[in-house]
Amino acid sequence: AQSVAQPEDQVNVAEGNPLTVKCTYSVSGNPYLFWYVQYPNRGLQFLLKYITGDNLVKGSYGFEAEFNKSQTSFHLKKPSALVSDSALYFCAVRDRFLYNQGGKLIFGQGTELSVKP
Amino acid sequence: EAQVTQNPRYLITVTGKKLTVTCSQNMNHEYMSWYRQDPGLGLRQIYYSMNVEVTDKGDVPEGYKVSRKEKRNFPLILESPSPNQTSLYFCASSSPTGRGVETQYFGPGTRLLVL
Repeated sequence: AQSVAQPEDQVNVAEGNPLTVKCTYSVSGNPYLFWYVQYPNRGLQFLLKYITGDNLVKGSYGFEAEFNKSQTSFHLKKPSALVSDSALYFCAVRDRFLYNQGGKLIFGQGTELSVKP
Repeated sequence: EAQVTQNPRYLITVTGKKLTVTCSQNMNHEYMSWYRQDPGLGLRQIYYSMNVEVTDKGDVPEGYKVSRKEKRNFPLILESPSPNQTSLYFCASSSPTGRGVETQYFGPGTRLLVL
């Protein structure tokens, strides 16, 4: 069965410091991996995705994520955090070999990122 | 502007009173889904639609119905809401690429409280 784990409910970072939001996954085949961000009272916004190729994926707002197949991880990173990055972050996965249920994604439980000035 | 819209954004209702949450997208997407978001559980798919008149159950379909009579609209129907359906609901849409790499676009969410 497919699953995604975000081991940290909350991550606290000082502004200007690098940030990492962790994600590990479990799928039977090769995964497509996604990161979404949810700002307060807003919908989910797409940040980036890994399909194939370069393990380092660059996305919106200066975020990037590194795909590590041996560790089955897809951690989200940013070199220098901003207060405005404070939000709820979701990692999601889709197994490329399973029947496409309307583009269904399997989501992690979410990580609340708090960036303090 | 390309977007997914949902209405209402907030809804308080009582047990057993039928309600409908509307979802509309203007991107001509074939795929549409409903998810619910609960603390500690992330988002879980309720129902999905691959195209007009083609719908199927997701992971948590109990207590919900959907219809897809037009490509742009995908309403979520709660025939007899119960308190365990109190949640934050998201509609999403995407277009197939043939490789499963399509990006899902989400609506702003509907926060439902069932008393």
